[in-house]
Amino acid sequence: AQTVTQSQPEMSVQEAETVTLSCTYDTSESNYYLFWYKQPPSRQMILVIRQEAYKQQNATENRFSVNFQKAAKSFSLKISDSQLGDTAMYFCAFIRYSGGGADGLTFGKGTHLIIQP
Amino acid sequence: GAVVSQHPSRVICKSGTSVKIECRSLDFQATTMFWYRQFPKQSLMLMATSNEGSKATYEQGVEKDKFLINHASLTLSTLTVTSAHPEDSSFYICSAEMGARGTEAFFGQGTRLTVV
Repeated sequence: AQTVTQSQPEMSVQEAETVTLSCTYDTSESNYYLFWYKQPPSRQMILVIRQEAYKQQNATENRFSVNFQKAAKSFSLKISDSQLGDTAMYFCAFIRYSGGGADGLTFGKGTHLIIQP
Repeated sequence: GAVVSQHPSRVICKSGTSVKIECRSLDFQATTMFWYRQFPKQSLMLMATSNEGSKATYEQGVEKDKFLINHASLTLSTLTVTSAHPEDSSFYICSAEMGARGTEAFFGQGTRLTVV
C-alpha cells in the first residue's frame, strides 16, 4: 500500500509571493503518477498538475511547477506570483501504474493555502 | 475537459431511510468510476471502485451492504446509502478516468449528505 504525507496543514502568503507546498510519499511501485489537486470552497476537485514517475523532467503548468525527487520520494508544488483565486485546499495524490485493473487515488491530508491581499 | 455530473449536490434524509447518489460521465464512457468520502476538513478516502457490468470492489473497512454501488452503463454509476445513520453524514465524491491509466481523473461536484 502507498501513503501520501502533507506536513503543512495550513499556509498563508501575501498575494504575488511564491509558495511551496510539500508532499512526500511511500511506495514500493516503480511506475506511478503523482498529482496535485486543488479544492476551492465549492468542493470541486480541480487538477493542478500531473507528473509521471518515469519522467525526470519536472512538470510545469503556467504559474505552477513541481520539484519531483524520485529517490527521496518527494513531490513539492511551487506556486509563483500567487493570486487570491489560489486560496483553496491542495491535495497531493498518488496512483500506481497498473496494466490491469484500475485503482483509485491515494490522497494526502491536504494543505489549506490562504493568499492574503 | 471531460465532465462528470453528480446528483444531488445536497440531500437530507431521515435515519433509517436510503438515499441514492448518481454519478454520470456526460461526454465520455467510463469503464471504471470511483467513490470517495470526505469528512469535514479532511482528505478524500477511497470507498470503492465501480466497474461497469460487474461487482464493485470495496476498500477495507467499507460496508458493502450499507454502501451499494451499481454501474449499469458506461456513463452511470450510483451509490446508495442504505439504512442511513447520522454517522453516514459526509461529503461523497465520484470520479471517472478517461483514457489511459494515470491520466486525469474527472470529479463530480460532490454530494453533501446529512442524516437527521
